[in-house]
Amino acid sequence: GAGVSQSPSNKVTEKGKDVELRCDPISGHTALYWYRQSLGQGLEFLIYFQGNSAPDKSGLPSDRFSAERTGGSVSTLTIQRTQQEDSAVYLCASSPRGVETYEQYFGPGTRLTVT
Amino acid sequence: EDKVVQSPLSLVVHEGDTVTLNCSYEVTNFRSLLWYKQEKKAPTFLFMLTSSGIEKKSGRLSSILDKKELSSILNITATQTGDSAIYLCAAYNQGGKLIFGQGTELSVKP
Repeated sequence: GAGVSQSPSNKVTEKGKDVELRCDPISGHTALYWYRQSLGQGLEFLIYFQGNSAPDKSGLPSDRFSAERTGGSVSTLTIQRTQQEDSAVYLCASSPRGVETYEQYFGPGTRLTVT
Repeated sequence: EDKVVQSPLSLVVHEGDTVTLNCSYEVTNFRSLLWYKQEKKAPTFLFMLTSSGIEKKSGRLSSILDKKELSSILNITATQTGDSAIYLCAAYNQGGKLIFGQGTELSVKP
């Protein structure tokens, strides 16, 4: 299990409920990224962590979205009061450092469906 | 606003054909451009390009960056059904943010 892992792989929730998505990056990778991919669309940047701090939160679509990372490893993305437009695949990626000379390695994603 | 645009959005070819996928970018303080292949969920890394005019090659796939034209192409020769996927282009800006294009969906028919 050397790759990026995400859980759950699928989540169905009712509108208005809170959900928590988890990402476990590659061991030793200090940079962690969250993206959202809606059906037929490219990847939309949400937030980036360097260690435990988030230098760039510019992609979070609303204040219902938040993310944290503890211990420089696992990250959770929380969506409060989910709406139908939140339905998408949420992808996490990690890279050795948060600079532009490294590729990002992606996890399998969490498919979120809000009914 | 930074953006990456890919064309075509979808493409259907037959096995053995050669395809060229296009990517253009408008990114603040451009640093590098990456190509990914997405078959089911997780995009898998193909190439990273930082220097203009230097071709990167991996088997039947190759890619090149043109910084003057702010663009890149991904070529696939002798296509196979296993090449069917969404191909994503992305560009890093100076802040380390990776901006993705909308992807090109390639379908290779037997």
